[in-house]
Amino acid sequence: KAGVTQTPRYLIKTRGQQVTLSCSPISGHRSVSWYQQTPGQGLQFLFEYFSETQRNKGNFPGRFSGRQFSNSRSEMNVSTLELGDSALYLCASKGQGAKDTEAFFGQGTRLTVV
Amino acid sequence: GNSVTQMEGPVTLSEEAFLTINCTYTATGYPSLFWYVQYPGEGLQLLLKATKADDKGSNKGFEATYRKETTSFHLEKGSVQVSDSAVYFCALSDQAGTALIFGKGTTLSVSS
Repeated sequence: KAGVTQTPRYLIKTRGQQVTLSCSPISGHRSVSWYQQTPGQGLQFLFEYFSETQRNKGNFPGRFSGRQFSNSRSEMNVSTLELGDSALYLCASKGQGAKDTEAFFGQGTRLTVV
Repeated sequence: GNSVTQMEGPVTLSEEAFLTINCTYTATGYPSLFWYVQYPGEGLQLLLKATKADDKGSNKGFEATYRKETTSFHLEKGSVQVSDSAVYFCALSDQAGTALIFGKGTTLSVSS
């Protein structure tokens, strides 16, 4: 069974640009969530999608957005990039179930903003 | 709101030493609790979990007990190995199960 796949693995962007990251969940998983990992703030929840609907959103500015497609693949977009957006962005997928259902994480996309 | 506090690292141990990483939480209701591990260059992997008070999660020699009275979920291992070197994250699930709230992470370094 293939794991969670995130593309690309590495990105370098310039301030002011926008970026789109992609996440393919484990087959059959309909929940996809996104996290930002930085040395200073640690792991912070961005948003969660289930069956193409955003069910939950963390405390991030509107520059951060996401969507989910009918095949459960998800993308997140960051517009007007700032230096502080440099981070490892992790995607996780879950099967349907209770709140203790395991979340499976991808290897992440390392975004560097210069 | 919900939050997780775990001990600051790094934790440096010799092989076969006893490990404890402290984790306490603040939450409304009865969250599920997790320990995740991140090896260098990789994403997070679930190490163990507990879903209700007094539950003990265990995996690969690691254990943690859900203590409601002290709002704690400390991670322990009796004898660490070099291969256990990684970053360990304590986390709780929000009520709806749609988000994980993580502690800052504790870096463990084990030397032979």
